[in-house]
Amino acid sequence: DAKTTQPPSMDCAEGRAANLPCNHSTISGNEYVYWYRQIHSQGPQYIIHGLKNNETNEMASLIITEDRKSSTLILPHATLRDTAVYYCIVGGTSYGKLTFGQGTILTVHP
Amino acid sequence: GAVVSQHPSWVICKSGTSVKIECRSLDFQATTMFWYRQFPKQSLMLMATSNEGSKATYEQGVEKDKFLINHASLTLSTLTVTSAHPEDSSFYICSARVGDRGRQPQHFGDGTRLSIL
Repeated sequence: DAKTTQPPSMDCAEGRAANLPCNHSTISGNEYVYWYRQIHSQGPQYIIHGLKNNETNEMASLIITEDRKSSTLILPHATLRDTAVYYCIVGGTSYGKLTFGQGTILTVHP
Repeated sequence: GAVVSQHPSWVICKSGTSVKIECRSLDFQATTMFWYRQFPKQSLMLMATSNEGSKATYEQGVEKDKFLINHASLTLSTLTVTSAHPEDSSFYICSARVGDRGRQPQHFGDGTRLSIL
C-alpha cells in the first residue's frame, strides 16, 4: 500500500475550519484514501474515504486533487471535541489492510 | 450503524496467565476482522487479519503461537494472549470491515488495555 505524509501537528481555533493535508504521491489507481481519527485511549473513528471524487458527510469533507497525489480533510466548524490524532491512510486493496502512519495531532483551541 | 464492541476494556493479570479479548460486530456481519496493537505514543500496528472460518494471517514478526486468533462466526473474533508477560502490556484494538470488498472502511472497537504484572 502507498505511504502517506502528514504534518505532525496543527492548531485550529474553535469554530473555524480545520484543513488537514495529506500527501500520497505513490498512490495507485485502485487505492482509496481513508481518514480516521483517534481520541486519547479510544479506538480510531472512521471519518470519510474516497477514490477520486470529493466526498462529504456529516462529519467532514474530503478534497482529493485531480492527480490523486494529495488530499485535504476539512472539518468545517472545529470544536474542542475534534482535538485528536488524525490519520490519512491509503489502501483498500490487499484484503482491506490499512497501514497507519504517525498522523497529525490536531489541537483545537477555545 | 457499523458498531464494533470489544471486551474487556481493561484487564490486569499476573505474568504467565492467558488473556482472551473479544471483538464483536453488533449490527453487521464481518467476514474479515483485524487486530492491532498500540504502544504508548506510537501508532497502531497491524498484528493479524482474521477471516471467518479460516486461519488468521499474521504480520511479519507477530508470533502466531503467542497471539491466538479465532474467528468462529461472522460477528465474533477473539484474540488470546497466551502466557502473557510484561512486554505484552499494550493497547489492543480490533476492527471489522463491512462487506467483502477491500475498499470498505474498517470500523474499530474501543480497545482493550492489557497490563501484565
